[in-house]
Amino acid sequence: GAVVSQHPSWVICKSGTSVKIECRSLDFQATTMFWYRQFPKQSLMLMATSNEGSKATYEQGVEKDKFLINHASLTLSTLTVTSAHPEDSSFYICSARADRGLLAFFGQGTRLTVV
Amino acid sequence: DAKTTQPNSMESNEEEPVHLPCNHSTISGTDYIHWYRQLPSQGPEYVIHGLTSNVNNRMASLAIAEDRKSSTLILHRATLRDAAVYYCILMEYGNKLVFGAGTILRVKS
Repeated sequence: GAVVSQHPSWVICKSGTSVKIECRSLDFQATTMFWYRQFPKQSLMLMATSNEGSKATYEQGVEKDKFLINHASLTLSTLTVTSAHPEDSSFYICSARADRGLLAFFGQGTRLTVV
Repeated sequence: DAKTTQPNSMESNEEEPVHLPCNHSTISGTDYIHWYRQLPSQGPEYVIHGLTSNVNNRMASLAIAEDRKSSTLILHRATLRDAAVYYCILMEYGNKLVFGAGTILRVKS
């Protein structure tokens, strides 16, 4: 399958600071990227969908000003958690899909811990 | 998004086949059936997908009921590395992937 790389794998940050997570599609052009978060022992929750060059579409209940998503190129999307707080600590996972593609491929996830 | 129902957990012995069921009675004609699995502390991994016919690949087989209201993921010989959460997801072409609770598969040696 196609390769999606997410960086960093884990990050610890202080409360009130911002953290950026990168998601890259290494061997295909990702027209659409998805961002999920996952709390321990729970399923993945879709946060937002982004199409290259367009504003992201956020799921209900997700604060767009807190979780900034940029999808400026066909191989890179970023999620910035602004003014992070301990309750933002979670496992963040990106997914990418090619244009006219049916399958989505996932990054390895980023473990964010806010202290 | 059409919903799926999966058992919370299943257990299998190593080297034996595993049949993971999924019910999706409200599936629409354009919904594809996808299976992903997630190992601990990793992102989900694509396993298999299908529309109407049964499908085979190197990882697994997907058996789809004739009325498409249920499907079964078949792992032909479970190994310890197959222990994971398996998600059955319905998705129309071009739509988003929405995850349900999935089935925790435990493999005993």
